[in-house]
Amino acid sequence: GAVVSQHPSRVICKSGTSVKIECRSLDFQATTMFWYRQFPKQSLMLMATSNEGSKATYEQGVEKDKFLINHASLTLSTLTVTSAHPEDSSFYICSARAQGADYGYTFGSGTRLTVV
Amino acid sequence: RKEVEQDPGPFNVPEGATVAFNCTYSNSASQSFFWYRQDCRKEPKLLMSVYSSGNEDGRFTAQLNRASQYISLLIRDSKLSDSATYLCVVRRGSTLGRLYFGRGTQLTVWP
Repeated sequence: GAVVSQHPSRVICKSGTSVKIECRSLDFQATTMFWYRQFPKQSLMLMATSNEGSKATYEQGVEKDKFLINHASLTLSTLTVTSAHPEDSSFYICSARAQGADYGYTFGSGTRLTVV
Repeated sequence: RKEVEQDPGPFNVPEGATVAFNCTYSNSASQSFFWYRQDCRKEPKLLMSVYSSGNEDGRFTAQLNRASQYISLLIRDSKLSDSATYLCVVRRGSTLGRLYFGRGTQLTVWP
């Protein structure tokens, strides 16, 4: 079945630095990528939706200059957390879907970010 | 009001028990409904879709009441491996639409 490889699985960074998270679709073309954030005991909150080759659409309250999303190819999307702060510590998950697929959303395994 | 509301639990049940989870959604335009399972610090995984007529997959039964905007999941003969967080998920509109997640209901099955 469809697989999305997400890495790193966990990262610890210093406050003020930037962190890049990658999601690759391994055996299908991900025309749309969703990026979520999940705080402990909370639901997955959609941060942004990106379609290959176009600018990402950010949800209300998500700073587009802080969370940079690139979806330049059909198999790779990246999320860069710029100038990370401790409050950005969270679980980030990507979810990809292929064009024409019925509800088939494939999730990456998630990245646990800790900013110290 | 949140798009999807769930009782967060936790539910602690013995092996073999039957347990039911409920969920409500706020947008009547929602068209597709799912239950996902999420293990601690892992990604969500699709457990089953939910159809208006109700559907069953082994020990799991899902029900949908569109009039009440209510979704349920019943787990019979609980196993230790059923311990996880169960997420109620809805999608509005087309199959290209985004998913809305509930915060999840935590289940622990003890021996």
